[in-house]
Amino acid sequence: DAGVIQSPRHEVTEMGQEVTLRCKPISGHNSLFWYRQTMMRGLELLIYFNNNVPIDDSGMPEDRFSAKMPNASFSTLKIQPSEPRDSAVYFCASSLPRTAPYGYTFGSGTRLTVV
Amino acid sequence: AQKVTQAQTEISVVEKEDVTLDCVYETRDTTYYLFWYKQPPSGELVFLIRRNSFDEQNEISGRYSWNFQKSTSSFNFTITASQVVDSAVYFCALRTQGAQKLVFGQGTRLTINP
Repeated sequence: DAGVIQSPRHEVTEMGQEVTLRCKPISGHNSLFWYRQTMMRGLELLIYFNNNVPIDDSGMPEDRFSAKMPNASFSTLKIQPSEPRDSAVYFCASSLPRTAPYGYTFGSGTRLTVV
Repeated sequence: AQKVTQAQTEISVVEKEDVTLDCVYETRDTTYYLFWYKQPPSGELVFLIRRNSFDEQNEISGRYSWNFQKSTSSFNFTITASQVVDSAVYFCALRTQGAQKLVFGQGTRLTINP
């Protein structure tokens, strides 16, 4: 089991550019979560999917952020256009079916720096 | 609404000391799950323990122990005989039954000095 795989590990981009973060969940996990970690706000949930369907995107900060899950093995988080305040570590996590009282398995995160 | 409070922002102790990290949670649900995660300097989030609301038995795993008290809505974490490798940020988190989101506390940065 390779765990949750995120790419890239680090991303540095200029303000105004489009950024795409990628995530491959653990096989068999049908829930996928995107979290953002900043010093000011800690770990906050951006969006999560069940069976590839977005369930709760209330944490997405604004329209510049979008997330997709085209199939059970892949998800993207896109920021367009990026701004310096988007600089953070973005974590993807997956978990077993929604009725199971499990925590998540997190990926290693993508450290995004917008200059 | 669910909320997790870790009042200790930073703790610094000398190696071999015992240290307790506090976690207080708020929820109106009767069924819920509590977690601790460790985030070492390398940045990943490592699962440590899960506890459900019906199981108040304390748990010990090596040098780690957890004290769950529903009466005070607390789920504290103690490291006995701390080691430098225990230095990390520790997060307490809450998940209620039927909800899938994990709500995290702000974390406690633990530094173990040699």
